[in-house]
Amino acid sequence: QVQLQESGPGLVKPSETLSLTCTVSGASISSDYWAWIRQPPGKGLEWIAYIYYSGTALYSPSLKSRVSISRDTSKNQISLSLSSVTAADTAMYYCARLTGYGAPFDYWGQGTLVTVSS
Amino acid sequence: SYVLTQPPSVSVAPGKTASITCGGDNFGTKSVHWYQQKPGQAPVVVIYYDRDRPSGIPERFSGSKSGNTATLTIYRVEAGDEADYYCQVWGTDSDHVVFGGGTKLTVL
Repeated sequence: QVQLQESGPGLVKPSETLSLTCTVSGASISSDYWAWIRQPPGKGLEWIAYIYYSGTALYSPSLKSRVSISRDTSKNQISLSLSSVTAADTAMYYCARLTGYGAPFDYWGQGTLVTVSS
Repeated sequence: SYVLTQPPSVSVAPGKTASITCGGDNFGTKSVHWYQQKPGQAPVVVIYYDRDRPSGIPERFSGSKSGNTATLTIYRVEAGDEADYYCQVWGTDSDHVVFGGGTKLTVL
């Protein structure tokens, strides 16, 4: 059974950097694609980035200048970093798995709520 | 950037059929995936590759695609189907992932 668990600070100050970690169990992050998706309160889903088995990453054009996704294969963790945050970055952040290019997100974490506020 | 268009809301009486559309340019050979999200929960895929249904998803859920419109159809709607539904594709001219804006299904 694949399980994903997001973790990180629930409150980040404006202009600072948001950092989240997704710990994966039941699967190896050296395989498949692993993504971050966010959802502002009361709004829709927004894909942020994914990283796949080769370590190559791809980013949403709207966030590309501020976001970085990385992985630690020794810990089986995926990380997200989003710089210069504003209130508009307040959202539930999910990590999710895809089995390959073109595939759906078949496993999701429960999500972690990040609020940007001073 | 690529845009997927969904109606913001759809209402249906219990036992009836609900249809949720997802429009996009040049779907072509790109596959559409559908997710159900209930309040306070992560999304769950209910249809993938246009029309396939994951194990555990009731047969009442059906997907189709014609031209530039994909449709999620829910037959014999139940109160428990009330949720937000999102379509998703991989970009037609990139390797990006795109979600539709979501449709809130209300069971009357």
